[in-house]
Amino acid sequence: GAVVSQHPSRVICKSGTSVKIECRSLDFQATTMFWYRQFPKQSLMLMATSNEGSKATYEQGVEKDKFLINHASLTLSTLTVTSAHPEDSSFYICSARPRLAGGWGDTQYFGPGTRLTVL
Amino acid sequence: LAKTTQPISMDSYEGQEVNITCSHNNIATNDYITWYQQFPSQGPRFIIQGYKTKVTNEVASLFIPADRKSSTLSLPRVSLSDTAVYYCLVGGDQTGANNLFFGTGTRLTVIP
Repeated sequence: GAVVSQHPSRVICKSGTSVKIECRSLDFQATTMFWYRQFPKQSLMLMATSNEGSKATYEQGVEKDKFLINHASLTLSTLTVTSAHPEDSSFYICSARPRLAGGWGDTQYFGPGTRLTVL
Repeated sequence: LAKTTQPISMDSYEGQEVNITCSHNNIATNDYITWYQQFPSQGPRFIIQGYKTKVTNEVASLFIPADRKSSTLSLPRVSLSDTAVYYCLVGGDQTGANNLFFGTGTRLTVIP
């Protein structure tokens, strides 16, 4: 259980184009999903928190107009990188927090990641 | 924020037990401790979570002292496939956000 998928797993695009990445919780409902970015040899950096039915909360330094997040349902969040540039090339990872956290604690389950390369 | 501190890297031979310690001096009363494993070009994978004392599952054990200012992830008899980066996160309930910030992690290299 607790499987999170991402699509696509890898994308290459030209500079100036927009790219959409989907994050789905396959076997649970997620009130909250998170988007991270990870550069080579570095740790994960939280970009934004996505809540179903409301606007996303962005971390300081993350441009909300460039990284559009939509959380249309309890199992789907999308991240759209608009007018992508080579510096946006990175590994994008989403995670989902179950609507009802079984047991105790506050566990996030991560997707497999999406490798974005902007030429 | 409950910041975490871990060793940057560790090496171990196959078959040995590996203990990775994480310091979290500012842990709050409601915070839990969660460990993740990450392989290159993959998302982090949940390993174990605990609040106090000891937790054990099929892959690891988590030791948490009484003051909860640190925790130790114990991997029994590591194999080459355990080479990965291990992150500890500290955070609370649904309203908490502390566990969303990853530290540097510990890069474990298992040597044949």
